[in-house]
Amino acid sequence: KAGVTQTPRYLIKTRGQQVTLSCSPISGHRSVSWYQQTPGQGLQFLFEYFSETQRNKGNFPGRFSGRQFSNSRSEMNVSTLELGDSALYLCASSFSGRYGNEQFFGPGTRLTVL
Amino acid sequence: DQQVKQNSPSLSVQEGRISILNCDYTNSMFDYFLWYKKYPAEGPTFLISISSIKDKNEDGRFTVFLNKSAKHLSLHIVPSQPGDSAVYFCAASVYSGGGADGLTFGKGTHLIIQP
Repeated sequence: KAGVTQTPRYLIKTRGQQVTLSCSPISGHRSVSWYQQTPGQGLQFLFEYFSETQRNKGNFPGRFSGRQFSNSRSEMNVSTLELGDSALYLCASSFSGRYGNEQFFGPGTRLTVL
Repeated sequence: DQQVKQNSPSLSVQEGRISILNCDYTNSMFDYFLWYKKYPAEGPTFLISISSIKDKNEDGRFTVFLNKSAKHLSLHIVPSQPGDSAVYFCAASVYSGGGADGLTFGKGTHLIIQP
């Protein structure tokens, strides 16, 4: 069974631009979560999607948004990029996102904002 | 406010000995705990989990202990092997009924297994 895939793996943008990251979950998984990893803050939860609906949201500004498609693939968008948005963005999928369902992580997209 | 804390940024253990990684949490609503392992340039890999109704869970060389009164959990790896060298993250979640809340992660402990 193929794992979680994320594209692109690396991305360089400049301040003020916007970026879209993509995540394909494990086949059959309907829940997709996004996390941001930085050296200072560690891994922080951005949001979770299930059946094309955002079900949970972390404490991030509205510049961070996402969506999920009918095939469970998900995209994350960051608008008006800031230097502090430089991070590893990780996507994780699980069967239902419910209690006890372990999340499986993709390799991440490394975003550098110049 | 860091709700999940891993106070040791790094830990060095000799091959064959026991590795003990610690994690403390402050949110008493957390009721499910997980450990993830992460190699450079890869996403975290699930290792083992425990729900708050248990105090111990074993899976091969990995055992997680939960002390709810102390809000503390630990991961024991016995015996430690060179391939165990990685960053270990402790994570916690709250069952919200409508779906799992996002995991709250600690900042990780870099485990180094020395030959």
